[in-house]
Amino acid sequence: GQQLNQSPQSMFIQEGEDVSMNCTSSSIFNTWLWYKQDPGEGPVLLIALYKAGELTSNGRLTAQFGITRKDSFLNISASIPSDVGIYFCAGLGSNYQLIWGAGTKLIIKP
Amino acid sequence: DVKVTQSSRYLVKRTGEKVFLECVQDMDHENMFWYRQDPGLGLRLIYFSYDVKMKEKGDIPEGYSVSREKKERFSLILESASTNQTSMYLCASSLSRTNEKLFFGSGTQLSVL
Repeated sequence: GQQLNQSPQSMFIQEGEDVSMNCTSSSIFNTWLWYKQDPGEGPVLLIALYKAGELTSNGRLTAQFGITRKDSFLNISASIPSDVGIYFCAGLGSNYQLIWGAGTKLIIKP
Repeated sequence: DVKVTQSSRYLVKRTGEKVFLECVQDMDHENMFWYRQDPGLGLRLIYFSYDVKMKEKGDIPEGYSVSREKKERFSLILESASTNQTSMYLCASSLSRTNEKLFFGSGTQLSVL
């Protein structure tokens, strides 16, 4: 099945750094989503984007729906230890099923 | 808060065994899903169900079947487990037919030896 291209695959960062990750697709989506999976848990929805060009924030997280509708970006400002985990992008397909990126694993250097 | 409960956190089975993975949700959601999660591959949809006794194939249904006899319970069945089915299995539910907000269980890490 179709998969989104999510990068980077993993990130090692210092506490306090800003983080950026992105997701691209060969297809257009009308809805982009960002989920986070904490270690040992299932993914949880962070942000949903419904309109091209939309910029939405959730605390220190900001996500953007690309103008072309083929990409989306997630930024985390001033990272803290509880930000560790795997971040997934997902696009909502025309059949109302989610198409997922492979994930970005965020690791904070001690 | 919605709670999706998966019956086992870790499971070890032998090749050829029949395996049942159980999932229960407590928020009266119509839609339920089974995914498998493998490193570098993200989440892949195995089966989903929009109603009791209803099931639809996802992207990778081969080697799996499902059962939904009650609204709150969705079971994944591996008829004859194989080593390539070693994976993390995630159950999810959603209220809306558009499915953008999924509620996931904590997952079952299945090892097939």
